[in-house]
Amino acid sequence: EADIYQTPRYLVIGTGKKITLECSQTMGHDKMYWYQQDPGMELHLIHYSYGVNSTEKGDLSSESTVSRIRTEHFPLTLESARPSHTSQYLCASSDNGGGEQFFGPGTRLTVL
Amino acid sequence: DQQVKQNSPSLSVQEGRISILNCDYTNSMFDYFLWYKKYPAEGPTFLISISSIKDKNEDGRFTVFLNKSAKHLSLHIVPSQPGDSAVYFCAASAWSGGGADGLTFGKGTHLIIQP
Repeated sequence: EADIYQTPRYLVIGTGKKITLECSQTMGHDKMYWYQQDPGMELHLIHYSYGVNSTEKGDLSSESTVSRIRTEHFPLTLESARPSHTSQYLCASSDNGGGEQFFGPGTRLTVL
Repeated sequence: DQQVKQNSPSLSVQEGRISILNCDYTNSMFDYFLWYKKYPAEGPTFLISISSIKDKNEDGRFTVFLNKSAKHLSLHIVPSQPGDSAVYFCAASAWSGGGADGLTFGKGTHLIIQP
């Protein structure tokens, strides 16, 4: 079944650690996105990709980085986690630019 | 500055009645609008969308209305069911010639359906 997956679902980690949040989709979509959401707030776009070897920064400045080596895979990396990075991170994909995006279940990150 | 605003953080509606969720936007470049539903600890799920060339789109119990002159859209749910209790996000995009621009979201409205 075509879907979008994120791992881990929950992560509690200490300050200074390097982390990678995984996102994979089996829908064959070219476009993928990372959003960040704090409780009670809107989702903010932090990264997006048009396709393989394409990455762009979103509206919200983020210290994270992304890569797109394969169409189905769009991991997000934080080189040195800080408490200010505590948030929910949501991955999405789309087969067209401005239309419907399909979201993964999210990763809730807590940095102590 | 918020470009998509949902001014009601929460809304309580009795089961079987109509739920009306509202959304306002400020960016005139937005030409495609979507509603998402989100349960706790899950990702948003697409509900319904509308293009700026239309003023109404209906899908089962869900209808979205768009008033371009007022820069306002609303989601109607009839009849409301207990499973509709969730946070509803309004989102918008500017097509930008088919680019990969992401969606701009509102802060969400927590809909509570009371038995």
